[in-house]
Amino acid sequence: QKEVEQNSGPLSVPEGAIASLNCTYSDRVSQSFFWYRQYSGKSPELIMSIYSNGDKEDGRFTAQLNKASQYVSLLIRDSQPSDSATYLCAVLTNAGGTSYGKLTFGQGTILTVHP
Amino acid sequence: DTGVSQDPRHKITKRGQNVTFRCDPISEHNRLYWYRQTLGQGPEFLTYFQNEAQLEKSRLLSDRFSAERPKGSFSTLEIQRTEQGDSAMYLCASSLAQGTGGFREQFFGPGTRLTVL
Repeated sequence: QKEVEQNSGPLSVPEGAIASLNCTYSDRVSQSFFWYRQYSGKSPELIMSIYSNGDKEDGRFTAQLNKASQYVSLLIRDSQPSDSATYLCAVLTNAGGTSYGKLTFGQGTILTVHP
Repeated sequence: DTGVSQDPRHKITKRGQNVTFRCDPISEHNRLYWYRQTLGQGPEFLTYFQNEAQLEKSRLLSDRFSAERPKGSFSTLEIQRTEQGDSAMYLCASSLAQGTGGFREQFFGPGTRLTVL
C-alpha cells in the first residue's frame, strides 16, 4: 500500500463546477497535510495546509481532513480553466521526533476544467 | 523576488559526468529540503538540513549523491558519475522551524531539470 494515494485522474469538470480531489494516507501519526498545485513543467505551489479535523476554507478552495478515516480532500468551487493543473496531496509525519519534516506526496491528480 | 531560487534551471549532461545544483532558500528559513520528481510522479524526498546540519537522508540518495549546506545558507546537491536514471526534476524547498516539532509549510523553488544523455 502506498503511503499517500490519490486518484490519478484525469478529472474533468466544466467551468463553474465544483472539483473534488481526494487523498488517503496510511500513517496514522501523520499530523500535517498540504495541497500543492503544479502546472505542467513548473514546480509545486502550496495552495492549502490543514492540521486539524474539519474544514478549512481559503477563497474558492476548501480542504477537509478526517484523521479517523485517514482522508483529506480538496474542493475547488467555481472552477476556472486556469485551475487546470496537477494537484498533489502531501503528508508530513512527525513520529516521536524521528522525522524532521519530510513530505510524502501522492502521485497527483490531473484536473482539467473545460469552458 | 524573495522566494526559493535554484540554479541552473536546466542541465543537460552526458552519462558519467558530475553535476552540481545550487539552492538559495527564503532568507529567514532555517530548514532546507531536496526532492526529486520524475514524470507522472509526486516529488520524492532526498535529504533535509536544519541550518548547516544534514539531519535526514533518503535511501534514494545513493553514494553518488552528496549535499551540503555550508554556513546554513545556500545548499548544493552534487551527483557524481551521472546515469540516465538520474534524469529528473530536482526540487529544493525551504521552511521555517517554529519550536520543537513546529513543522510548517514548505515552499518550493522552480527546480532544476536534469537530462542525462
